[in-house]
Amino acid sequence: AQSVAQPEDQVNVAEGNPLTVKCTYSVSGNPYLFWYVQYPNRGLQFLLKYITGDNLVKGSYGFEAEFNKSQTSFHLKKPSALVSDSALYFCAVRAPYSGAGSYQLTFGKGTKLSVIP
Amino acid sequence: GAVVSQHPSWVICKSGTSVKIECRSLDFQATTMFWYRQFPKQSLMLMATSNEGSKATYEQGVEKDKFLINHASLTLSTLTVTSAHPEDSSFYICSATTGGRPSGANVLTFGAGSRLTVL
Repeated sequence: AQSVAQPEDQVNVAEGNPLTVKCTYSVSGNPYLFWYVQYPNRGLQFLLKYITGDNLVKGSYGFEAEFNKSQTSFHLKKPSALVSDSALYFCAVRAPYSGAGSYQLTFGKGTKLSVIP
Repeated sequence: GAVVSQHPSWVICKSGTSVKIECRSLDFQATTMFWYRQFPKQSLMLMATSNEGSKATYEQGVEKDKFLINHASLTLSTLTVTSAHPEDSSFYICSATTGGRPSGANVLTFGAGSRLTVL
């Protein structure tokens, strides 16, 4: 079974400082990894994904994530945080399509990011 | 880009009544839609996978007779909470793939969610 761990329920960072939101995963085979962001009372918005290729993936709003196979991690990063980045961030993993008709996306519990002015 | 519209965004109903939530893909055909439930300060829990023209596949522990899912067209899936009770109060979110052969690399597009409150 696939799983995702986001070890921090909350991350606080000062505006302008770099931020990191941690994610580790467990899946059979090569993983497909995603980051989504959720603003209050809203659905999820896609930030970025890793499928294959370069381990450093760049996404929306200046976010990037680094895939580390040996550490089974996919941490989300941004060089300089903005107050508007404050939201709930979800890491998700999916195993490659197996032809079984289901390609369930498994989410972590989420990490609340608060950027302090 | 791909847009998924969910309606209503808020709904309050009395205990024992049924509530229907619609999920529409506005500019693409969604062969598969997913319904999630999110409790406060918790992650998304997949309830069911809805494939156009066929019965939905429910996750373990989800009552299919209580949460009726219909995916009658490539752009519309509905979730009906039947005989709702206060414990059904939650935030329900749908998502859809951008069509084509299912692939693990597909990005899911999410609706804005529907908050159900059962009195």
